[in-house]
Amino acid sequence: QSALTQPASVSGSLGQSITISCTGSRSDVGGYHYVSWYQQHPGKAPKLMIYDVSNRPSGVSNRFSGSKSGNTASLTISGLQAEDEADYYCSSFSSGSTLVVFGAGTKLTVL
Amino acid sequence: QVQLVESGGGVVQPGRSLRLSCAASGFTFSNYGMHWVRQAPGKGLEWVALISYHGNYKHYADSVKGRFTISRDNSNNTLYLQMNSLRTEDTAFYYCAKDRTPYCSGGSCWYYFDCWGQGALVTVSS
Repeated sequence: QSALTQPASVSGSLGQSITISCTGSRSDVGGYHYVSWYQQHPGKAPKLMIYDVSNRPSGVSNRFSGSKSGNTASLTISGLQAEDEADYYCSSFSSGSTLVVFGAGTKLTVL
Repeated sequence: QVQLVESGGGVVQPGRSLRLSCAASGFTFSNYGMHWVRQAPGKGLEWVALISYHGNYKHYADSVKGRFTISRDNSNNTLYLQMNSLRTEDTAFYYCAKDRTPYCSGGSCWYYFDCWGQGALVTVSS
């Protein structure tokens, strides 16, 4: 069972916006600013999309944005494109014995 | 460009050992902490272990503590994961991943992985 809770799937039409939620606790998402998001296409390695809740690494489209409120972090993808169809994982520092915890992942389908 | 290439995966019986390697290139390996992250087939990601850039700090997930050992050879730009007493639940793709922050000694870093290898499949089965 994953430490962080994500919806199993979300979908959106081309050009629309979607938001993926990631709920944790005060021991992880709610207590620290160390939330990140990864994109993973089938058969490929994950790619860092967002770090420090809302920062984008160089080269990541500004269509991807992150935010946090309380124990829940969110990833928003605007102007959906076909290549955005992938699995998305949230991650956070944890003050427990495990340094980093992940969500179970959300499958994004672009209609 | 930054490249990480894992090797050493395979099929192994429960209770046996296996060592994974990760060859790094395209960046100054000795400046960055490194991680192992695994993913069971069709499942989510699980962080496994961290080693600091100088190799003198290591941290493990509870699920592998006491069985797995992370190490590095900065002179040969290589990361290792020694896996002992393997269990069927250790079956997964094992990714090596580069930490985003150079010269990290703890605090506000060690939490982000900005480059990943292609993964090495470890299958534990009798």
